Amino acid sequence: AQTVTQSQPEMSVQEAETVTLSCTYDTSESNYYLFWYKQPPSRQMILVIRQEAYKQQNATENRFSVNFQKAAKSFSLKISDSQLGDTAMYFCAFQFLNHYNDMRFGAGTRLTVKP
Amino acid sequence: EPEVTQTPSHQVTQMGQEVILRCVPISNHLYFYWYRQILGQKVEFLVSFYNNEISEKSEIFDDQFSVERPDGSNFTLKIRSTKLEDSAMYFCASIGDRGSDEQFFGPGTRLTVL
Repeated sequence: AQTVTQSQPEMSVQEAETVTLSCTYDTSESNYYLFWYKQPPSRQMILVIRQEAYKQQNATENRFSVNFQKAAKSFSLKISDSQLGDTAMYFCAFQFLNHYNDMRFGAGTRLTVKP
Repeated sequence: EPEVTQTPSHQVTQMGQEVILRCVPISNHLYFYWYRQILGQKVEFLVSFYNNEISEKSEIFDDQFSVERPDGSNFTLKIRSTKLEDSAMYFCASIGDRGSDEQFFGPGTRLTVL
């Protein structure tokens, strides 16, 4: 079974500082995608960043970057220069490539950015 | 920019009643999904749908659940006889083709079973 674990239920960070959210996963697959989704209070799921497992280079998207360690099955999200609008639930997700692209989500980390 | 839409945004129903949650995926997308999120818990996969049939479903998706694409645009999730524990946020998502990776999520429908 594919599982995704987010061990930090809640985190907080001061505005303009950097925070790292951790995620580990367990799979026997060799090819897959990993994602971080943001869910603000409006509840809509918004894609933050994605990583293809076959790529060694860590994905970056403006202030968001990941540290992907395939051997360790670790996929952490770093948010630099945190902004108040970054306050949300963040979900790490694993997506199959061999099936119909369904996803497995972690339990989420609630991030609060403090002014 | 095209987006996935869901109606209603909030549905309140009595236990034992049937509900139908509606989704309109992005028009040229081929793969469709339902997820649910019980308040405070993680997002859980329910079912995936392709070529007018279910391609995969989770253990949550029992005989009380069904999905349908009745008219080529809507994608519905039916819960036949709702239970209190069905109260959750239900998200629809779609993908353009199997080679694509990003699932586009709808805004969700909050289902409250009383």
